[in-house]
Amino acid sequence: GAVVSQHPSWVICKSGTSVKIECRSLDFQATTMFWYRQFPKQSLMLMATSNEGSKATYEQGVEKDKFLINHASLTLSTLTVTSAHPEDSSFYICSARLIYEQYFGPGTRLTVT
Amino acid sequence: KNEVEQSPQNLTAQEGEFITINCSYSVGISALHWLQQHPGGGIVSLFMLSSGKKKHGRLIATINIQEKHSSLHITASHPRDSAVYICAVNSGGGADGLTFGKGTHLIIQP
Repeated sequence: GAVVSQHPSWVICKSGTSVKIECRSLDFQATTMFWYRQFPKQSLMLMATSNEGSKATYEQGVEKDKFLINHASLTLSTLTVTSAHPEDSSFYICSARLIYEQYFGPGTRLTVT
Repeated sequence: KNEVEQSPQNLTAQEGEFITINCSYSVGISALHWLQQHPGGGIVSLFMLSSGKKKHGRLIATINIQEKHSSLHITASHPRDSAVYICAVNSGGGADGLTFGKGTHLIIQP
């Protein structure tokens, strides 16, 4: 089946630093990848849609200058959380679209101290 | 009001029981997904539905487009079914990101 990986699986960083999260589709090419965020006890929320070779589309309320998304190839999208604050601590999940199915990565737990 | 509502929020049942989780949505959709999230956070896609009914092993998912309602059933439930079950919808043309319900936390006791 289609496999999506994320790296790292968890990261702790200091306030003010930047963190990069990678999302890879391992056995298929994904023209579209999605980034989601999940706060404790909350549902997942779409942050942005990442299209290969073009700028990401951000959902309302998501700062594009803070959450930098790059989709440089058909198998890799990256999310960089810049100048991280403790309120950015969350579970970040990516998914990759293959036709109409979405395949999810295992998630990255970010803790900002 | 959330566009996707799930019920119940929490469900505890005994092993072997028949489980039903419900999902209602308020927008037009191109597809509805049922997802399973385990305590570590990883998500597995169980079903994608645009009409009718699908079955996979002990899991059955149904959708009624006119009533904007879907159900996920688990037959002969087992403790390993314990997880959070999430309903999510594509309200765009299938290429859009998903809108999620808050999930149903299911515990199956031996």
